[in-house]
Amino acid sequence: AQKITQTQPGMFVQEKEAVTLDCTYDTSDPSYGLFWYKQPSSGEMIFLIYQGSYDQQNATEGRYSLNFQKARKSANLVISASQLGDSAMYFCAMRENTGNQFYFGTGTSLTVIP
Amino acid sequence: EAQVTQNPRYLITVTGKKLTVTCSQNMNHEYMSWYRQDPGLGLRQIYYSMNVEVTDKGDVPEGYKVSRKEKRNFPLILESPSPNQTSLYFCASRPGRDLVKNIQYFGAGTRLSVL
Repeated sequence: AQKITQTQPGMFVQEKEAVTLDCTYDTSDPSYGLFWYKQPSSGEMIFLIYQGSYDQQNATEGRYSLNFQKARKSANLVISASQLGDSAMYFCAMRENTGNQFYFGTGTSLTVIP
Repeated sequence: EAQVTQNPRYLITVTGKKLTVTCSQNMNHEYMSWYRQDPGLGLRQIYYSMNVEVTDKGDVPEGYKVSRKEKRNFPLILESPSPNQTSLYFCASRPGRDLVKNIQYFGAGTRLSVL
């Protein structure tokens, strides 16, 4: 079974609008961390936001927030007030406390339309 | 500046010609890892290392070797590259303390083409 599932291969959003990128995960470990990375066309991987399984509140980092629904095993990334520079590939990832591996989803390509 | 440095950034080679992609980090991180990125598949872990002389296989280790003789360096070796190893490769590092929230930092990537 896939550890991380991103079901949206591509998304479009109007500039200044908010957009939600979906991510579901699969783990039986009660302690885990969820991460979102951004990959612009230049190729580098940029860390955006982190959510721990025991965190009581949803994580926020500037215009990025994480809609964490533990019972549904989902960790959707919300980008508010989209900017043209947000056009990129976005990856959801997970690390389980019991393991040393880092699992990535297949990514969502976001295009911000002027 | 804290960074993970990979070299080369671009490499074109031929089938069977041994190559090494170097990776170095200056953050004194214990944990280092190699990934390959292919369209539609996301990033898949090749090998990782928890510390010097400690390495383990990830999800797609076939055709690759690694070594960790020094804490800062973690080279990826392709003894006999094949066309199916054409991919974008990333090296990453993070502190080795066993905290799930430890962020992984990535190198800029190496785009490899095997003809």
